[in-house]
Amino acid sequence: DAGVIQSPRHEVTEMGQEVTLRCKPISGHNSLFWYRQTMMRGLELLIYFNNNVPIDDSGMPEDRFSAKMPNASFSTLKIQPSEPRDSAVYFCASTDSYEQYFGPGTRLTVT
Amino acid sequence: QKEVEQNSGPLSVPEGAIASLNCTYSDRVSQSFFWYRQYSGKSPELIMSIYSNGDKEDGRFTAQLNKASQYVSLLIRDSQPSDSATYLCAVIPYSGGGADGLTFGKGTHLIIQP
Repeated sequence: DAGVIQSPRHEVTEMGQEVTLRCKPISGHNSLFWYRQTMMRGLELLIYFNNNVPIDDSGMPEDRFSAKMPNASFSTLKIQPSEPRDSAVYFCASTDSYEQYFGPGTRLTVT
Repeated sequence: QKEVEQNSGPLSVPEGAIASLNCTYSDRVSQSFFWYRQYSGKSPELIMSIYSNGDKEDGRFTAQLNKASQYVSLLIRDSQPSDSATYLCAVIPYSGGGADGLTFGKGTHLIIQP
C-alpha cells in the first residue's frame, strides 16, 4: 500500500517567492495534518482537516500561510511570501482513527 | 499551553540492554499517547500507541502509561544498534471524538553502543 505522498521532497527558493507544498494522504484516511519541524521548536501542528474541512488552524504562524484540501486525496500548504525563518521540514500525516502516519516530508530552504 | 516533556539525551545504552525512555505531559485530560521513532533525515515512524493505564507490549517494545502521574514510558528490550534514533512522545488531548492534532515532545536521542 502506498503511504502518504509529499512533493516536492526538497525546495530551495528565494525570500519573497511563493511556495506550494503538496500532499496525498493514504487512501481511505479521512483526516489530514500538516506539521513543521525545526531544531529549535521541534514538531509543531500547523493545521488539520477532517473530511476535507479545516478544523484547527491555530498553529498556522501567520497570514502568509494557507492550506486547502479540495478533495479527499489532495492537500496543499502555501507560503506567500516566503521568508528565511520558514526554512524547515514540512510533514503531512493522515489517519482514519487516532494513529497518524507521516509522509517523507518536504525540506524547505528559503534564502 | 499543553506541553509534553522529554529528556533530550543523548541516552547511551549498551547493545542487548534495556533502553528506558520517559515522557511527561501537562494536560490531565489527555487520552491518547504515542511513541514515534525518527532516524536522522527521515520522517517519524509510529511504533507504539497506548490509550489506557498499564503496559502494552509489541515485540521488543513495551509502552507504559500512568495517567494519575501523567507519565508515559517506552522500554526497548534487547537493544540493537538499529534502535539508535530519536524517540518522540506524542499526545492527543481529549477532543470529544474524532481525530485531533498531536502535541510532540522534543524527543530523546538514543544511542545503542555495540
